[in-house]
Amino acid sequence: NAGVTQTPKFQVLKTGQSMTLQCAQDMNHNSMYWYRQDPGMGLRLIYYSASEGTTDKGEVPNGYNVSRLNKREFSLRLESAAPSQTSVYFCASTTASSYEQYFGPGTRLTVT
Amino acid sequence: GQQVMQIPQYQHVQEGEDFTTYCNSSTTLSNIQWYKQRPGGHPVFLIQLVKSGEVKKQKRLTFQFGEAKKNSSLHITATQTTDVGTYFCAGYVSSNTGKLIFGQGTTLQVKP
Repeated sequence: NAGVTQTPKFQVLKTGQSMTLQCAQDMNHNSMYWYRQDPGMGLRLIYYSASEGTTDKGEVPNGYNVSRLNKREFSLRLESAAPSQTSVYFCASTTASSYEQYFGPGTRLTVT
Repeated sequence: GQQVMQIPQYQHVQEGEDFTTYCNSSTTLSNIQWYKQRPGGHPVFLIQLVKSGEVKKQKRLTFQFGEAKKNSSLHITATQTTDVGTYFCAGYVSSNTGKLIFGQGTTLQVKP
């Protein structure tokens, strides 16, 4: 099992460009999450999907959109990147029974 | 909004000294989890506490959940250089939402 995978690992964007961060899990988990991590801020939830076909906003959703493509895949889209979106983005997934979250390796995004 | 505060933000210790990080929530938590993130890595689940007053041990690590289910602590006895990293607490306010609220993390440096 690969667990949770994320692509790309690194990305540099110019202000106004768009991109999609991809996340996939092979653990048959129902719930998936997108977080951003900034120094001194911990992990902040952007969007989550409790099950296939549903998505909901987290703490910091502005400037982002998500798609739960199927049970395995949950993508995060930046339509018009801003320097404030420079961050490390983590995808995570969990089962309903344990609530332990499994994290992907992260995407390090820089917006200039 | 709901907040989970964690202190201290940074801690430098000599190898062999003990270390404690504290986590406080503004609201009652249904459970609390602890994660460890090595430098450059992703958060990895350590443990989950569910019951009021619960204490769990993993080798040199001791985790406590407060009686009111609003605070928690992680204590490491006789730190080693392998303990270096950032420790996060994270709480579920309601198990129905599946949304974890993370503390800001405590970064531990261990001098050999």
